[in-house]
Amino acid sequence: DAKTTQPNSMESNEEEPVHLPCNHSTISGTDYIHWYRQLPSQGPEYVIHGLTSNVNNRMASLAIAEDRKSSTLILHRATLRDAAVYYCILRDVVYTGNQFYFGTGTSLTVIP
Amino acid sequence: DTAVSQTPKYLVTQMGNDKSIKCEQNLGHDTMYWYKQDSKKFLKIMFSYNNKELIINETVPNRFSPKSPDKAHLNLHINSLELGDSAVYFCASSQDPRGLVPYEQYFGPGTRLTVT
Repeated sequence: DAKTTQPNSMESNEEEPVHLPCNHSTISGTDYIHWYRQLPSQGPEYVIHGLTSNVNNRMASLAIAEDRKSSTLILHRATLRDAAVYYCILRDVVYTGNQFYFGTGTSLTVIP
Repeated sequence: DTAVSQTPKYLVTQMGNDKSIKCEQNLGHDTMYWYKQDSKKFLKIMFSYNNKELIINETVPNRFSPKSPDKAHLNLHINSLELGDSAVYFCASSQDPRGLVPYEQYFGPGTRLTVT
């Protein structure tokens, strides 16, 4: 699986939008972009995923660059509960394993 | 209802002992996984099982052996525990990934293993 690069940490004020960037310059045409987050002392949880088009769900939005070499996870209004480590992961859709290779992620701090 | 559950939540044991961690999912998924998260919070896949068959076995010592009695359960047995095995172990499950759909994985709460 291709490698992703994320900032180690970011801060946001509560109730403000947060843009979490991810670079994946070696992405292949069949790589899906996944985002998971891990709250303190919990297992990772799914946030969103996409292939080429921007995606929205109840938790977040995913903006994918036209060349797919980068993406941004958007939390529209950060809450204290959003403080977590956010992982950007690439997975080849034709690969049979479905295992995810987690990087170091971005630790998001939400300031009240 | 808890989707993916693990027992025990905490496990403290001495070097050289053998221990098991149990995982159960009630989501009807065909595939289950074990991940290890070390002290630096790096999360790494260990095993992947589909319908009771091992499909992925990353570079893991032979002391680690996954066992799947049925597709809802995937247990992790560890022989001759070492200090370096201290970590948080996460179980996860998903629908059968062997297709073109990137199914999401559901993770358990983790088991914190401490080897003294």
